[in-house]
Amino acid sequence: QVTLKESGPGILQPSHTLSLTCSFSGFSLSTYGMGVSWIRQPSGKGLEWLASIWWNGNTYNNPSLKSRLTVSKDTSNNQAFLKVTSVDTADTATYYCAHTQFGVLFDYWGQGVMVTVSS
Amino acid sequence: NTVMTQSPTSMFISVGDRVTMNCKASQNVGTNVDWYQQKTGQSPKLLIYGASNRYTGVPDRFTGSGSGTDFTLTISNMQAEDLAVYYCLQYNYNPLTFGSGTKLEIK
Repeated sequence: QVTLKESGPGILQPSHTLSLTCSFSGFSLSTYGMGVSWIRQPSGKGLEWLASIWWNGNTYNNPSLKSRLTVSKDTSNNQAFLKVTSVDTADTATYYCAHTQFGVLFDYWGQGVMVTVSS
Repeated sequence: NTVMTQSPTSMFISVGDRVTMNCKASQNVGTNVDWYQQKTGQSPKLLIYGASNRYTGVPDRFTGSGSGTDFTLTISNMQAEDLAVYYCLQYNYNPLTFGSGTKLEIK
């Protein structure tokens, strides 16, 4: 059974770096074809794909966030990470991580973690 | 970026209705489209992948169709538990992009 759970700071100040962790079970990020993606959703609004990391270390980021995003993984501990630098109020959202695999994207989602950027 | 335009924005429906919602891509995305259902306070759930493939455990009243730029999600016999916001997603181009959603509400 695949499960994922996001964790993060809850609240942080503008210009700081947001660091999120996705802890998962039921699959390995060292297995061919497996990946973890990050998606966010401002309150009451739609979904925005941010980034994906694959079993082979390849990463894909949303260019709209320019170079502010970094995704990484710790295969041994079944974790994936997202860093967003220079946050501002527009980064306030619920952040989800999702299991990703060839042909079937986002088939399992975490419960989401709410992040508020405020001074 | 590939824009996914969903219509209508919201629909007022009754249990038992046949519901059709649309998603139009700003360029040809082949069949690289998924549909997700998000109920209030919950994470999205995958319904349809590859435009027309029902995901495991999804009731057969949900049907996806389309290719190229025009896609449709149909609920053949609306149930109260289907009240939610439905999003389409294209994954043919980077960045992956979602539509803005269609919200189903009770009439």
